Amino acid sequence: GAVVSQHPSWVICKSGTSVKIECRSLDFQATTMFWYRQFPKQSLMLMATSNEGSKATYEQGVEKDKFLINHASLTLSTLTVTSAHPEDSSFYICSAREGAGYEQYFGPGTRLTVT
Amino acid sequence: DAKTTQPPSMDCAEGRAANLPCNHSTISGNEYVYWYRQIHSQGPQYIIHGLKNNETNEMASLIITEDRKSSTLILPHATLRDTAVYYCIVRVVADSWGKLQFGAGTQVVVTP
Repeated sequence: GAVVSQHPSWVICKSGTSVKIECRSLDFQATTMFWYRQFPKQSLMLMATSNEGSKATYEQGVEKDKFLINHASLTLSTLTVTSAHPEDSSFYICSAREGAGYEQYFGPGTRLTVT
Repeated sequence: DAKTTQPPSMDCAEGRAANLPCNHSTISGNEYVYWYRQIHSQGPQYIIHGLKNNETNEMASLIITEDRKSSTLILPHATLRDTAVYYCIVRVVADSWGKLQFGAGTQVVVTP
């Protein structure tokens, strides 16, 4: 089956710094990628959708200048959390879809802790 | 997309069938029913989806009522590894974005 990887699997950063999370589709071309955030004991919340080579579309309430998304190739999307604060600590999960396929393939997630 | 309602939690005995209900009374004719699950601290995993016919794959069966207002995911022989949060999602099939909106899901605990 299709595999999506994320790097790093966990990261600790200091308040005020920026951190980049990578999402890669390993064996298929991801025309669309999605970024989710999940706080403890809560469900996944969609943050943004991106198509390769286009600007990301952010969900209402998600700050696009804080969460920078770059979908530069058909196999790589990055999420950069800028000027991170402790309230940004969360589990960030990406998913990818190939073409108009119905299935989204999810990455294993990245645990971000901001101290 | 239509909202879904699921019980917050369910217990199931190992080896028995687990029947997970989902209500989607406002579902539209062009919306599919999808099921995903999320094992603790992992990304969600696709299970199955359907429009109006019952569906079966190697993981589970999906039973959709004739009026499509509810559905049941059946795990035929639950194992301890099936302990997870199960999400029922309805989505417009023609949505070019393919966005998924996750609800609260059902926490399923399989016990020995």
